Amino acid sequence: SQELEQSPQSLIVQEGKNLTINCTSSKTLYGLYWYKQKYGEGLIFLMMLQKGGEEKSHEKITAKLDEKKQQSSLHITASQPSHAGIYLCGADINIGSGGGADGLTFGKGTHLIIQP
Amino acid sequence: DGGITQSPKYLFRKEGQNVTLSCEQNLNHDAMYWYRQDPGQGLRLIYYSQIVNDFQKGDIAEGYSVSREKKESFPLTVTSAQKNPTAFYLCASSMGFVGYEQYFGPGTRLTVT
Repeated sequence: SQELEQSPQSLIVQEGKNLTINCTSSKTLYGLYWYKQKYGEGLIFLMMLQKGGEEKSHEKITAKLDEKKQQSSLHITASQPSHAGIYLCGADINIGSGGGADGLTFGKGTHLIIQP
Repeated sequence: DGGITQSPKYLFRKEGQNVTLSCEQNLNHDAMYWYRQDPGQGLRLIYYSQIVNDFQKGDIAEGYSVSREKKESFPLTVTSAQKNPTAFYLCASSMGFVGYEQYFGPGTRLTVT
């Protein structure tokens, strides 16, 4: 089973509308990272959240990590064509498993399309 | 400018040939990673290195090999033992191994026919 679930898988939003992407795990997220990817390109780091209840914003993008540190959301306000792309969440999940850290686990991504 | 470079952008090989993908960083990062990205599968970790001269297998290491002789470089060799090598390969680096954001290169698209 997927350790990090993203929803929705794809999203079509009219320009100017708000939207939210979710990232959920059944395990504790010791560090949660949001990235954006244009098709066929590398990932661009957006934000990192580490503390329960933490919220960070950059321009029109806000990311939150819930108090239990098992769910994060990415909210875009007044979407623009430049927001289109694939959004991926990555997390340090295995730190507490006793097996040592294994690097980031990634969700499958959310494809965001902005309609003019 | 500091960053991560991967070369080439596109790579074509015949089945049965080994191929090496380059990854270089000038960010002075200790940790480096190789991921594979397939449609609908997200990113999967192939190998990672926390420090020079040390590396560990990730989730899908079979058919791949790496070396970390220099801090700046972490080349990935896709061997003929990799059953389905056609994919988009991403290299990343971070200042430390846990609790640090990873910075990604532009990727190499490998096609094996």
